[in-house]
Amino acid sequence: DVKVTQSSRYLVKRTGEKVFLECVQDMDHENMFWYRQDPGLGLRLIYFSYDVKMKEKGDIPEGYSVSREKKERFSLILESASTNQTSMYLCASSLWEENTEAFFGQGTRLTVV
Amino acid sequence: SQELEQSPQSLIVQEGKNLTINCTSSKTLYGLYWYKQKYGEGLIFLMMLQKGGEEKSHEKITAKLDEKKQQSSLHITASQPSHAGIYLCGADFPISGNTPLVFGKGTRLSVIA
Repeated sequence: DVKVTQSSRYLVKRTGEKVFLECVQDMDHENMFWYRQDPGLGLRLIYFSYDVKMKEKGDIPEGYSVSREKKERFSLILESASTNQTSMYLCASSLWEENTEAFFGQGTRLTVV
Repeated sequence: SQELEQSPQSLIVQEGKNLTINCTSSKTLYGLYWYKQKYGEGLIFLMMLQKGGEEKSHEKITAKLDEKKQQSSLHITASQPSHAGIYLCGADFPISGNTPLVFGKGTRLSVIA
């Protein structure tokens, strides 16, 4: 079975801290994604990557950056955490081919205080 | 950008009753994906529909995609408490290249005894 693992289920960080959210997948998927999920807004795409060292901005990239140094790992970085980044963060991966499902991690609930 | 509208936003049904969740796009889809999310957790893939008029079933859940490939429905027969959660539809669109899934805002289902 495909497994997408996010490093933390729950995180509490202070405003202004640099925050790293890590995601690892074990099925050699080319594509990896970071979404955030907020009540009433659904899932919104932050960044995605089709290959190592490649990244593309999603719908809401402001305040975030990403890193993909190895195929299996995709990191989301909050350069200076703010309270409006309190959210549920979901990582996903998929094969390159079209019409294949994305597999999701268990989510990281981040609270910025 | 493409958007998916889900209805209803929330649903409370009595155990044993049938229910339907709808997902509508203003543009023709390439593929339609249904996911389920338990509260505070990641998304679990249910099924994918690709062809106009396609219908798939898994246990007591049936999903259909209309001929125009712009609307899908998810039908649960004889609902059980285990069906409770958030149901999300996701889609990719016939744009060149490999694009991330766009999601609806979800339907929150509660099943009461």
